[in-house]
Amino acid sequence: DAGVIQSPRHEVTEMGQEVTLRCKPISGHNSLFWYRQTMMRGLELLIYFNNNVPIDDSGMPEDRFSAKMPNASFSTLKIQPSEPRDSAVYFCASSSTGFGQPQHFGDGTRLSIL
Amino acid sequence: KNEVEQSPQNLTAQEGEFITINCSYSVGISALHWLQQHPGGGIVSLFMLSSGKKKHGRLIATINIQEKHSSLHITASHPRDSAVYICAVGNSGGSNYKLTFGKGTLLTVNP
Repeated sequence: DAGVIQSPRHEVTEMGQEVTLRCKPISGHNSLFWYRQTMMRGLELLIYFNNNVPIDDSGMPEDRFSAKMPNASFSTLKIQPSEPRDSAVYFCASSSTGFGQPQHFGDGTRLSIL
Repeated sequence: KNEVEQSPQNLTAQEGEFITINCSYSVGISALHWLQQHPGGGIVSLFMLSSGKKKHGRLIATINIQEKHSSLHITASHPRDSAVYICAVGNSGGSNYKLTFGKGTLLTVNP
């Protein structure tokens, strides 16, 4: 079984550039989560999709961040323009809907903004 | 907002030792999760529990709802258990998908 697939694994770019992170959830999972992990704040939920619809985006830091899920097998998280403080590891996770379903995490994208 | 506290922050053990990692939270929850993050960065869900105890191999997770406390135990620890262990709680009510994470416990098991 393929797990959650994220790309790229690493991204280094200069501030001001647009960054796009990609996620392919596990087939059949209808919940998708984007998280950010930093040393200072640990893991934080950025946005939650259910059946491709954004349900909770209260964790998205500011307007520079946007996320889309055009279909059940693909989601993107975009940062435009990027800033050094956006440097973090970004995880995508998916799960089946319903109480008690574990979240399956991708390997993460390590983002460095210079 | 739920506060999740883990202890200890860092733990070093010798191979074969019994390990306990603790997690406390401040308000009622729908479920508690234990996650494992290896040095390479990937996160794996170990347990999800809302009451009692669960066991998987050498790992045991317990939860006491009244005391708002959970423990993760590792029996006969091995160097490959070295990782960061993260406790996360799901809020009760409509937003039970939303997890609040602890800062993690870094476990190092020496041979």
